[in-house]
Amino acid sequence: SAVISQKPSRDICQRGTSLTIQCQVDSQVTMMFWYRQQPGQSLTLIATANQGSEATYESGFVIDKFPISRPNLTFSTLTVSNMSPEDSSIYLCSGGLAGGQETQYFGPGTRLLVL
Amino acid sequence: QQQVKQSPQSLIVQKGGIPIINCAYENTAFDYFPWYQQFPGKGPALLIAIRPDVSEKKEGRFTISFNKSAKQFSLHIMDSQPGDSATYFCAASKETSGSRLTFGEGTQLTVNP
Repeated sequence: SAVISQKPSRDICQRGTSLTIQCQVDSQVTMMFWYRQQPGQSLTLIATANQGSEATYESGFVIDKFPISRPNLTFSTLTVSNMSPEDSSIYLCSGGLAGGQETQYFGPGTRLLVL
Repeated sequence: QQQVKQSPQSLIVQKGGIPIINCAYENTAFDYFPWYQQFPGKGPALLIAIRPDVSEKKEGRFTISFNKSAKQFSLHIMDSQPGDSATYFCAASKETSGSRLTFGEGTQLTVNP
């Protein structure tokens, strides 16, 4: 299994600022993903974080708004840029162990409120 | 476009009951179907998963039934307990997409004592 931690666990930010969320996995994972979840709703995939190369973004999400880094197999960051109240959400990272399609482990999430 | 549809949105059962949550998918290329359980303030945790080469999989009190021709799958929770109260998500992925999961809308389950 893999244990995933995220920092910060929650934050309150002002409109127009940026926040970087960190995701740390306790073991090497092949795939890392970033999701957004509105309270009481489902998870929406933002992007796949690729080690050493640009992230792969889903439709509706762009690099300028959500830049992602993944410098190694156990760490990734997601930045929410130029925030607006619409960005208020829970941001989750997940990691999948080598072998691809098997279990994805999720972090506890970062709860973001933009005023 | 929602590719995995989940129902019901919420479900209330008595302790010992058997809640059933249903999901339907559109993309026949999906070949991996996990169920996740999420408690308030926590990230989702894998509960059980199935591939389309079997029609049923059981792990403890949790059973997945899979109907490939109907493109439907369901989660049954036997002898449900108040501790099972959580939100349940079905999901689907295809190997060619590199494990990217498409989630259903979620079902909020309440098991009353």
